[in-house]
Amino acid sequence: NAGVTQTPKFQVLKTGQSMTLQCAQDMNHEYMSWYRQDPGMGLRLIHYSVGAGITDQGEVPNGYNVSRSTTEDFPLRLLSAAPSQTSVYFCASSRHSGYGYTFGSGTRLTVV
Amino acid sequence: ELKVEQNPLFLSMQEGKNYTIYCNYSTTSDRLYWYRQDPGKSLESLFVLLSNGAVKQEGRLMASLDTKARLSTLHITAAVHDLSATYFCAVDSNFGNEKLTFGTGTRLTIIP
Repeated sequence: NAGVTQTPKFQVLKTGQSMTLQCAQDMNHEYMSWYRQDPGMGLRLIHYSVGAGITDQGEVPNGYNVSRSTTEDFPLRLLSAAPSQTSVYFCASSRHSGYGYTFGSGTRLTVV
Repeated sequence: ELKVEQNPLFLSMQEGKNYTIYCNYSTTSDRLYWYRQDPGKSLESLFVLLSNGAVKQEGRLMASLDTKARLSTLHITAAVHDLSATYFCAVDSNFGNEKLTFGTGTRLTIIP
């Protein structure tokens, strides 16, 4: 199993550009989430999904969209990048409630 | 709104000493997780605590959960350099959907 795969690992965007962060898992996990990590702020939940076709907002959803058309994939779309979105983004998946998350390796995004 | 507080935020300790990291949370929950993060790396699951009084141990680390006090502790016994990392606790804010709220983390440095 590859686990949770995130691409790209690094990305630089200009303000106003859009892009999609990819996340795929091969463990048949139902639950998937996107978090951003900023210095001194821990991890904050952006969006999460409890299964294919079901998504919901987390703590900091503004400026981001998600969809979950398959169990395996959970892409995060930045609609119009802003410098405030400079962060490290982690995708995570869990088999079921109470199992805890497996995290991907992260995407370091810089918006200039 | 669920709040999760960890203390201390920074901890330097000598090898061989014992210490405890505290995780307090603001609303009822009986699902708490501990993660470890090395610099520039992803998060690694350490412990899953799913009930009041739960205690888990792995090597020199032991985690416990008191749901009535809304408190979890991560105890380090006879610290060694390899334990230097940032430790996060995370609480499931809604039963059953793995919507986790993270603490800001405790950066632990073990000094020889």
